[in-house]
Parts: sequence; structure tokens; C-alpha cells
Amino acid sequence: GAGVSQSPSNKVTEKGKDVELRCDPISGHTALYWYRQSLGQGLEFLIYFQGNSAPDKSGLPSDRFSAERTGGSVSTLTIQRTQQEDSAVYLCASSLLGGGDTQYFGPGTRLTVL
Amino acid sequence: QQQVKQSPQSLIVQKGGISIINCAYENTAFDYFPWYQQFPGKGPALLIAIRPDVSEKKEGRFTISFNKSAKQFSLHIMDSQPGDSATYFCAASMGNTPLVFGKGTRLSVIA
Repeated sequence: GAGVSQSPSNKVTEKGKDVELRCDPISGHTALYWYRQSLGQGLEFLIYFQGNSAPDKSGLPSDRFSAERTGGSVSTLTIQRTQQEDSAVYLCASSLLGGGDTQYFGPGTRLTVL
Repeated sequence: QQQVKQSPQSLIVQKGGISIINCAYENTAFDYFPWYQQFPGKGPALLIAIRPDVSEKKEGRFTISFNKSAKQFSLHIMDSQPGDSATYFCAASMGNTPLVFGKGTRLSVIA
């Protein structure tokens, strides 16, 4: 079946602009995660949605970052007033049950802030 | 505070050799330890995982060794092949919490 998809695959923006990154998880998966991957920094957890529970936002680096998940499916990560340090690959993952369940990752969105 | 420390940062292994990547964790409540493999331009994919009730798990050429008392676990890749060249991430989680990832190891297998 279809895996996790993300769009766009690449995004170039100017400093100060807002960007929206989209994630389509695997159908039926209750958990959805956003990570940021910077060169040499591994995978940085951003936010975690599990079913109808309040999202775990503990990894969001600043109030410029927000995410929502509509209808328990598609998720959008929004970065307001982008800064050059926001440049990274943003990865989305979903899992059937959450927690320690296997996470399936999308290909990521490469964000470049000029 | 980094909860999962991974080493080495990069590794070069001859074809046919053994690749070994190590991870150490701090939180004794962690109860799930997966390894993910990532090829350039792709998202990470689960390779193999272990829970602390066993000390070793083997799947084909890939083995996880787990030392609960030392709070360490490692990935061994036997008979390493050029196709194994990728970035490997260890991770840990407990209960219903998200995975905490190590910083990754870039493995290059040379012929």
C-alpha cells in the first residue's frame, strides 16, 4: 500500500516568510510525528499526535512552529517568520499505535531559508 | 540533555568486514530499542529492534546486542556490503512516548 507522503519535496523561501509543510500518513495509522533533521544533528523530535489526545508539542523549538492534524489524518507543519537556522529536512512519520510501535517515515521536505 | 549517545559518527569498513555501531542510554525506563537505516534522499526505515527481556536479536546479517546493566546496545552488521552504506540511527522509547534518536552513524562499505 501507499506509504507516508510529504509535500513539497523541496521548498526554498526567503527569511521572514511563512511556510507550510504537508504530511499524508499511512491510512489507519493513529499516531503521527514530525522530526527535523539537520546536518550532523540526527533526528530532532518536534511534535507527536496520537489519536484524539492533545498533541505532545514538547519538541517545538519556538512559538514560530506549529502543527495541526485534521480529521486524524493529514498534518500540516507551519513555520512562521522563517529564519536561516530553520533550514533542514523535515520528516514526518506515522505508526499504527504510537509509542514504541514501528514508525514509517516519509521522504521528507528539504527547506532552505535564504 | 542527550538521552541516547551514538558512536562513532562515521565508519568505514571493508567489504566482507563487520560493522559495529554503539549506543548508550541514560533512562532506565526505556523499554524499546530500534535501529533505523537511512539512505540518501530517503526517510529512515526500521531495520531491527529489541526489547530488554533479551540480550541479542539476529535478523540475517544484522544483530543487536543489548547490555541492560551497562545501559548499552549495539548493532553488528556481518559480511558488510557496499549496499549497506547508509546512515544508521539508534533510538529508544518507553511506554507511549515518542522515540528518542541518536545522532546517527554514517557507514561506508568499500570494496
